[in-house]
Amino acid sequence: GAVVSQHPSRVICKSGTSVKIECRSLDFQATTMFWYRQFPKKSLMLMATSNEGSKATYEQGVEKDKFLINHASLTLSTLTVTSAHPEDSSFYICSARDAFRGLSSYNEQFFGPGTRLTVL
Amino acid sequence: KQEVTQIPAALSVPEGENLVLNCSFTDSAIYNLQWFRQDPGKGLTSLLLIQSSQREQTSGRLNASLDKSSGRSTLYIAASQPGDSATYLCAVCSNDYKLSFGAGTTVTVRA
Repeated sequence: GAVVSQHPSRVICKSGTSVKIECRSLDFQATTMFWYRQFPKKSLMLMATSNEGSKATYEQGVEKDKFLINHASLTLSTLTVTSAHPEDSSFYICSARDAFRGLSSYNEQFFGPGTRLTVL
Repeated sequence: KQEVTQIPAALSVPEGENLVLNCSFTDSAIYNLQWFRQDPGKGLTSLLLIQSSQREQTSGRLNASLDKSSGRSTLYIAASQPGDSATYLCAVCSNDYKLSFGAGTTVTVRA
């Protein structure tokens, strides 16, 4: 149980285009999903917290108009990188928190396999 | 803001040797602490989760300790194998459920 998928796993696009990344919880419902970004040989940095049915909360320094997040259902959150540029090239990882496991789950986050974005 | 530091940044050991990976954090008001494994170009695999009220967790050859008051956690891997080669990440969960990650320790186990 507790499987999170991401699609696509890898995407290459031209500068100026928009790219959508999907994050799905496959066997549980997630009221909260998190989006992270990882640069080569660096740590994961939290970009935003996505809550089902409401606006995402962005971390300081993250452009909300650049990285659009939609959490339309309890099993799906999407991250759209708008007007992508080479500096947006990175590894994007999502995680999901099981809404109904309660305190016994210690609010563990389950991570997707990541999406490698390359902007030419 | 929570700052998480992992030392060393890289570690190379011969097969069979025990591994000791260190993680320190600045704010002791944590909810839990997790250790992850990341293979090159891949996502995260959760290894151990320690609740803030716990002192340690064990799974097979892995043991993680937590000293919340001093802001430290240690991951021990016994009898290392080449398959243990990966980057190990420490992540501290604050009371708002946000995770702060360390930069990781890259482990190479030589056959």
